[in-house]
Amino acid sequence: GAVVSQHPSRVICKSGTSVKIECRSLDFQATTMFWYRQFPKQSLMLMATSNEGSKATYEQGVEKDKFLINHASLTLSTLTVTSAHPEDSSFYICSARDISGTAYNEQFFGPGTRLTVL
Amino acid sequence: GENVEQHPSTLSVQEGDSAVIKCTYSDSASNYFPWYKQELGKRPQLIIDIRSNVGEKKDQRIAVTLNKTAKHFSLHITETQPEDSAVYFCAASMLGQAGTALIFGKGTTLSVSS
Repeated sequence: GAVVSQHPSRVICKSGTSVKIECRSLDFQATTMFWYRQFPKQSLMLMATSNEGSKATYEQGVEKDKFLINHASLTLSTLTVTSAHPEDSSFYICSARDISGTAYNEQFFGPGTRLTVL
Repeated sequence: GENVEQHPSTLSVQEGDSAVIKCTYSDSASNYFPWYKQELGKRPQLIIDIRSNVGEKKDQRIAVTLNKTAKHFSLHITETQPEDSAVYFCAASMLGQAGTALIFGKGTTLSVSS
């Protein structure tokens, strides 16, 4: 099946710094990628939809100036958490849709990035 | 936008029993309903999915039913095993070129005791 990678898998940073998370589709092209955030013992909450070559669409309550998304190619989307604070500590997961092959347009998830802000 | 409700939040069963998890959705335009199993600290794994033109789908011990009129769908696991213990999420989305993101239910923690 299709493979999505994320980097880094874990990151610890100081409050006030910025962190970049990469999401790559390794064997398919993804015109659309999605970014989710998951707090402990909670569900995956959609943060934004990342479209190749255009601006991301953010969900209500998600600050676009704090969570910068860039989808510069058909295989790479990046999420930058700017001026991170302890409340941004969470599990960030990306997913990508492969629209080229399967009829179901299944979304494939990356392994996630555990962000801890001290 | 879409809203997905999932029940129960926790479910404990004995090995060999059946487990049923139910979800409802709000957007009648949604036409794709996957179920995911997530183990601690890992990505969600798709276990079964169903499209809106189908009422039921089965894969070995796992089945999903969909009532499009009532906007609810359910996951059925038969002959449960300890390795089925995990958090299960239902989700809803719309397929196609203009397809939408998956909107998840709050999850069900399934515990299977031997």
